[in-house]
Amino acid sequence: EAGVTQFPSHSVIEKGQTVTLRCDPISGHDNLYWYRRVMGKEIKFLLHFVKESKQDESGMPNNRFLAERTGGTYSTLKVQPAELEDSGVYFCASSQGTGRINYGYTFGSGTRLTVV
Amino acid sequence: TQLLEQSPQFLSIQEGENLTVYCNSSSVFSSLQWYRQEPGEGPVLLVTVVTGGEVKKLKRLTFQFGDARKDSSLHITAAQPGDTGLYLCAGVFAGAGNNRKLIWGLGTSLAVNP
Repeated sequence: EAGVTQFPSHSVIEKGQTVTLRCDPISGHDNLYWYRRVMGKEIKFLLHFVKESKQDESGMPNNRFLAERTGGTYSTLKVQPAELEDSGVYFCASSQGTGRINYGYTFGSGTRLTVV
Repeated sequence: TQLLEQSPQFLSIQEGENLTVYCNSSSVFSSLQWYRQEPGEGPVLLVTVVTGGEVKKLKRLTFQFGDARKDSSLHITAAQPGDTGLYLCAGVFAGAGNNRKLIWGLGTSLAVNP
């Protein structure tokens, strides 16, 4: 079974530019999550998709961030325009399960974004 | 403000020693998970605990969920250099319904020296 795939693994962009991160979850996993770790801080939730629908986007920092999950398969997270404080490691995770049962997450290796 | 306090943040020990990592909160969690992360990789799930007082063992690792489901610990017996890595706790708040976003601790960076 293929794991969660994220690309690019690294991205260095200038302030004001646009970057799009992609996540391919494990096939059949309805739940897809985006998380971010800023240096020195804990990993923080960004948003949660159930299939193609946004279940919770309360962690999205501002309207410069746009996440989509077309057809309930892969997801993209676009940052436009990027700011210095957007630097960090962006993780994607997927899981099975419904209701209140907590299934384990499978994480991708992350995209390290550096805004200069 | 950290919702999930993890300690210690750094730990350097000799091979064969025992250690315990703690995660504490003033909030109740419906479940709590422990992950291990290697450099350049994402967190890898070790265990999920869901019942207050629950104890789970994974070889030399013992995980415990507090009776009140506000805290958890990870104990490693006879640590090996292969245990070196970043250990993270993460939980789902009780009453979150179908929202299963994880709240994370800062992590414990463990170094086991030969």
